[in-house]
Amino acid sequence: GAGVSQSPRYKVAKRGQDVALRCDPISGHVSLFWYQQALGQGPEFLTYFQNEAQLDKSGLPSDRFFAERPEGSVSTLKIQRTQQEDSAVYLCASTPPGNYEQYFGPGTRLTVT
Amino acid sequence: GNSVTQMEGPVTLSEEAFLTINCTYTATGYPSLFWYVQYPGEGLQLLLKATKADDKGSNKGFEATYRKETTSFHLEKGSVQVSDSAVYFCALTPFGGSQGNLIFGKGTKLSVKP
Repeated sequence: GAGVSQSPRYKVAKRGQDVALRCDPISGHVSLFWYQQALGQGPEFLTYFQNEAQLDKSGLPSDRFFAERPEGSVSTLKIQRTQQEDSAVYLCASTPPGNYEQYFGPGTRLTVT
Repeated sequence: GNSVTQMEGPVTLSEEAFLTINCTYTATGYPSLFWYVQYPGEGLQLLLKATKADDKGSNKGFEATYRKETTSFHLEKGSVQVSDSAVYFCALTPFGGSQGNLIFGKGTKLSVKP
C-alpha cells in the first residue's frame, strides 16, 4: 500500500518568507509526528498529533513554527518568517493504532537563502 | 534527560567484513530501543527493535541486544554487503512500548566496498 508522502520534496525560500509543508500519513494511522533533521544530524522531535489533537509541541523551536491536523489525517507544518537556521529536512512519520512503529515519509528538504 | 550516543562515522568496510556500530543511551525510565536505516535517496526505515532488557532484535542479518547493565544497544552484522551501505540511526522512545516521540543519535554512515 501507499506509504507516508510529503510535499513538496524540495523547497527553497528566501529569508523572511512563509512556507507550508504537507504530510499525508498512511490511511488509518492515528498518530503523526514531525521531526527536523539538520545536515549530518539525527532527526529531532518537533510535535505529535493523535488524530486531530496536538498532544505535544514541546519540540517546536520557536513560535514561528506551527502545525495542524484539522481532520485527523493530512498535516501541515508551517514556518513563518523563515530564517537560515530553519534549513533542514523535515520528516513526517505516522503510527497505526496500538503499534509504536513509526513509518517515515521521504522528507521535505527546506533551504532558506 | 534522555539521549542516544552512537559511534561517529563514516565507517568503511570491505564486503563480507564484520560490522559493529556502538550505541549507548541515557534514559530516565524503561525505554524501547530501535535501529533505523536510511538508504540513499530513501526515507527512514525501521531495521530492528527491542522493548525490554536482554531482548535481541534481528532483521536482514543485523542484530542488537538490549543491555540494561551497560545501557547499550550495539548493532552487529556478521558479513556486510554493498547493499548495506546506508546511514544507521540508533533511537529510543522514553516511555517503553507506548507511543511516543523517538530520540535519535546522530547517525553513522556505512560504506561497503566490493
